[in-house]
Amino acid sequence: DGGITQSPKYLFRKEGQNVTLSCEQNLNHDAMYWYRQDPGQGLRLIYYSQIVNDFQKGDIAEGYSVSREKKESFPLTVTSAQKNPTAFYLCASRPLAGGLTGELFFGEGSRLTVL
Amino acid sequence: AQTVTQSQPEMSVQEAETVTLSCTYDTSESDYYLFWYKQPPSRQMILVIRQEAYKQQNATENRFSVNFQKAAKSFSLKISDSQLGDAAMYFCAYGTSGSRLTFGEGTQLTVNP
Repeated sequence: DGGITQSPKYLFRKEGQNVTLSCEQNLNHDAMYWYRQDPGQGLRLIYYSQIVNDFQKGDIAEGYSVSREKKESFPLTVTSAQKNPTAFYLCASRPLAGGLTGELFFGEGSRLTVL
Repeated sequence: AQTVTQSQPEMSVQEAETVTLSCTYDTSESDYYLFWYKQPPSRQMILVIRQEAYKQQNATENRFSVNFQKAAKSFSLKISDSQLGDAAMYFCAYGTSGSRLTFGEGTQLTVNP
């Protein structure tokens, strides 16, 4: 089945450690996105990528890094510089051509807790 | 920058009744898309309905319909015959072709039996 897979679903980290969240899609979508969601709040864009080997900062990129070495993969690293990393992280993708409707397809999310 | 505003943090409705969730947005573009997403307790984001700005006709998906007022930049979601499974956080979102989507802060909908 086509879709977006995020892993791990739950992750615990000690302060000062970097952690990488995985996002893989087999939908052949061009663009991929990382959003952060805090309790009772909307989705805030961290980073996005529209093509391999290229990505742009979103609204809250500080303390995060990404890479896009393959079309299907867009991992997010939460670095020790991120002051408040405990949150729910959502990865999404969308096609950029061919009868597109602009719709985002989402993974199931990763819950990161910093101890 | 585009902004999306959902002015109702929480709403409630009786089962089988109708509820309307509000959304306004700000843009200078003429061609764009609008979406309503549902996030149940599982936290999986599910697309409820989409509207292309160039279409005058309001989108409808079964019990879900929108009232799209382009001049007023308003995009409300109407849920008819509400069911317990409709209880969720609902997000309004705006985007243009090939660009990022901007989300509102969400409306938490409770359905009372």
